[in-house]
Amino acid sequence: TAGITQAPTSQILAAGRSMTLRCTQDMRHNAMYWYRQDLGLGLRLIHYSNTAGTTGKGEVPDGYSVSRANTDDFPLTLASAVPSQTSVYFCASSDHTDTQYFGPGTRLTVL
Amino acid sequence: GENVEQHPSTLSVQEGDSAVIKCTYSDSASNYFPWYKQELGKRPQLIIDIRSNVGEKKDQRIAVTLNKTAKHFSLHITETQPEDSAVYFCAASRTGGGADGLTFGKGTHLIIQP
Repeated sequence: TAGITQAPTSQILAAGRSMTLRCTQDMRHNAMYWYRQDLGLGLRLIHYSNTAGTTGKGEVPDGYSVSRANTDDFPLTLASAVPSQTSVYFCASSDHTDTQYFGPGTRLTVL
Repeated sequence: GENVEQHPSTLSVQEGDSAVIKCTYSDSASNYFPWYKQELGKRPQLIIDIRSNVGEKKDQRIAVTLNKTAKHFSLHITETQPEDSAVYFCAASRTGGGADGLTFGKGTHLIIQP
């Protein structure tokens, strides 16, 4: 199985443009998450979803939106990118044991 | 919300020696404490976790201890090897499905000196 995948691997984006980061898992996990990782700050939770059809805000949700139309997919959208959103973005999913499995990440640069 | 503090930010040890990384948390309702290892350019990977109903857990050279009264937990790596060099993150969450997401410490860069 593929586990959890993210696309694109990296992207350079002009400020003010919109972009959707994709995340797909084939493990049938109910819960999914988006984190951003910045040097010296560790990983911070942006949004999460307990199950298909529900989402919630994490520690740093401003400027980001998510949707969870089905179990497998959890896209993250930046409606109007700003340079402070330059980061590495990790998607994760968890099973009933609470263990979180991370995707390979998307490196986003906003200029 | 939860706040997780991690120390030290950098730790250098001689190969074969032990390494200890410490974390404290603020939310007494947190009951799940995983540790992740992240190599340069790679995704975080779970190496061990502990839940609030136990005080210690071991897996070969790795162990984690938890003191719920003091709200701190630690990662112990014995007989360190070059492949242990990486950034290690502690985290905490309230579970019942892991639905809240993890609150991470800022990470410890572990350097194993040959």
